[in-house]
Amino acid sequence: DGGITQSPKYLFRKEGQNVTLSCEQNLNHDAMYWYRQDPGQGLRLIYYSQIVNDFQKGDIAEGYSVSREKKESFPLTVTSAQKNPTAFYLCASSMSGPPDEAFFGQGTRLTVV
Amino acid sequence: AQSVTQLDSHVSVSEGTPVLLRCNYSSSYSPSLFWYVQHPNKGLQLLLKYTSAATLVKGINGFEAEFKKSETSFHLTKPSAHMSDAAEYFCVVSLNTGFQKLVFGTGTRLLVSP
Repeated sequence: DGGITQSPKYLFRKEGQNVTLSCEQNLNHDAMYWYRQDPGQGLRLIYYSQIVNDFQKGDIAEGYSVSREKKESFPLTVTSAQKNPTAFYLCASSMSGPPDEAFFGQGTRLTVV
Repeated sequence: AQSVTQLDSHVSVSEGTPVLLRCNYSSSYSPSLFWYVQHPNKGLQLLLKYTSAATLVKGINGFEAEFKKSETSFHLTKPSAHMSDAAEYFCVVSLNTGFQKLVFGTGTRLLVSP
């Protein structure tokens, strides 16, 4: 089945640690996105990538980093510089070009302990 | 700047009664608009989308929405609520600037009572 797979589903991080969230898609989509979801705030864009080896900062990129070495993969690293990383993280993908449906993964819930 | 306002943070209905979730948008361009649904601790699923074709858009699970340019609204409706409709709903506008960037509303939580 085609879709987007995020792993792990739950992740716990100690303060000062970097952690990497995985996102893989087999939909042959060019564009991929990372969103952060906090209660009552909707989804906010962290980073997005239109093509392999290229990505742009979204609205809240500070404290995060990404890579896009393969079309299928768009991992997100939450660095120690991110002051409030506890949140629900969603990865999505879509075809580039005219507005199209974005497909979402099931999310990763990150908690700082 | 493009933005989306969802007018209600929570909506409560009884099973079998109509559902109305309100959304207003602002956009400098001709917008593309979407409604997504999210069940607890899950990803988002597309309900329906408007992309400048018919102003009344039908989606999955009996939902529909009407694009009203004069009112800058894109309200989501369903004639009869089902218990399984209980979820969070997001109204989304897409920036038509050559690359799709989605701007999300803050969400409306739909509660359905028996």
